[in-house]
Amino acid sequence: AQSVAQPEDQVNVAEGNPLTVKCTYSVSGNPYLFWYVQYPNRGLQFLLKYITGDNLVKGSYGFEAEFNKSQTSFHLKKPSALVSDSALYFCAVRDGGATNKLIFGTGTLLAVQP
Amino acid sequence: IAGITQAPTSQILAAGRRMTLRCTQDMRHNAMYWYRQDLGLGLRLIHYSNTAGTTGKGEVPDGYSVSRANTDDFPLTLASAVPSQTSVYFCASSALGGGAGNEQFFGPGTRLTVL
Repeated sequence: AQSVAQPEDQVNVAEGNPLTVKCTYSVSGNPYLFWYVQYPNRGLQFLLKYITGDNLVKGSYGFEAEFNKSQTSFHLKKPSALVSDSALYFCAVRDGGATNKLIFGTGTLLAVQP
Repeated sequence: IAGITQAPTSQILAAGRRMTLRCTQDMRHNAMYWYRQDLGLGLRLIHYSNTAGTTGKGEVPDGYSVSRANTDDFPLTLASAVPSQTSVYFCASSALGGGAGNEQFFGPGTRLTVL
């Protein structure tokens, strides 16, 4: 069965510093991987996805993610964190078959201190 | 503005009552989904529909039912609510095809409390 793991419940980073939010996956076949962000009392917003091609994927709000097949990871990164990046981040993997069903990780709360 | 609307925004419900959460999208997406979000568990898929007239069970379908009479609407019904169904419910939609790697778009959520 497909699954993703987010090993950190919370990540703390100072504004201006680089940030990384970790995600590892387990899939049969080629992985379709996604990152979403959730601001307080809001729905999830799509950030970026990896389907195939370049291992470094660029997305919204200056975020990027690196697909690493050998380490089965898809970590979310940003070179310089902003206080406004503070939110809940979810990694997700497509559940396989001819659907777009997603399996979500448990989420990582990113707190950026001024 | 194109997107997904959900109603109600929040609801407090007595156990045993029937409740329908509404979801409407105007993006003409084939597929729609219902998730529940619980602290420490992330989002879990309840039911989904790949196209109007078809539905499927997700990870946690028990106690819930859905229908998909047309492309735009995907209501979720709790036939007899129980306290363990207290959660935040999100509806989502996506296009299908193109290798099925299309992202999902989410509604603002419904916060449901069952007492």
